[in-house]
Amino acid sequence: GESVGLHLPTLSVQEGDNSIINCAYSNSASDYFIWYKQESGKGPQFIIDIRSNMDKRQGQRVTVLLNKTVKHLSLQIAATQPGDSAVYFCADPSDTGRRALTFGSGTRLQVQP
Amino acid sequence: NAGVTQTPKFRILKIGQSMTLQCAQDMNHNYMYWYRQDPGMGLKLIYYSVGAGITDKGEVPNGYNVSRSTTEDFPLRLELAAPSQTSVYFCASRGPSGTTEAFFGQGTRLTVV
Repeated sequence: GESVGLHLPTLSVQEGDNSIINCAYSNSASDYFIWYKQESGKGPQFIIDIRSNMDKRQGQRVTVLLNKTVKHLSLQIAATQPGDSAVYFCADPSDTGRRALTFGSGTRLQVQP
Repeated sequence: NAGVTQTPKFRILKIGQSMTLQCAQDMNHNYMYWYRQDPGMGLKLIYYSVGAGITDKGEVPNGYNVSRSTTEDFPLRLELAAPSQTSVYFCASRGPSGTTEAFFGQGTRLTVV
């Protein structure tokens, strides 16, 4: 079936470095993606979204890149800070006709001081 | 500005007991979701609802039931608790458009012993 998945379960970076978190999707009809951040003990929070008519979208210190040819998303965090330590999920709301919202397995980002 | 409210925050159940996890949202969202998250894992969709009176199964519905009698409330029922249902449960809601973010509650940590 269709799925949204992450390449790496854990990413460890030094404070101040840039982080890149990857996500693969399999539904070629997907046209909207969302990135969520989940801090320990909390529910996921929206970070940024992107529509399929865009290749890139920038937010505050975050950039999402979409490569529709290889069905791949990435979330880039500039100048990673300790507060960025969390699990990051990509989600595809277009799954099952835009009604359900399913998530990939997530990547845990660990920021080393 | 409450958003999505889940109760209780923590609960310990004995095998075979039943309970209801409460979820309420005050954003007039049509879509509501229940997820479970096992340690170190991603979010698995249990049930979802696209409006009052309408519910659908997600990826892992067995052992759970839901109802949606009002727009605001989406309770999750466990009838015969099993150790495999030990998890953190998250409720989420989303606006009617297929391209809007979901808002999550803070979660209910359930242990079945």
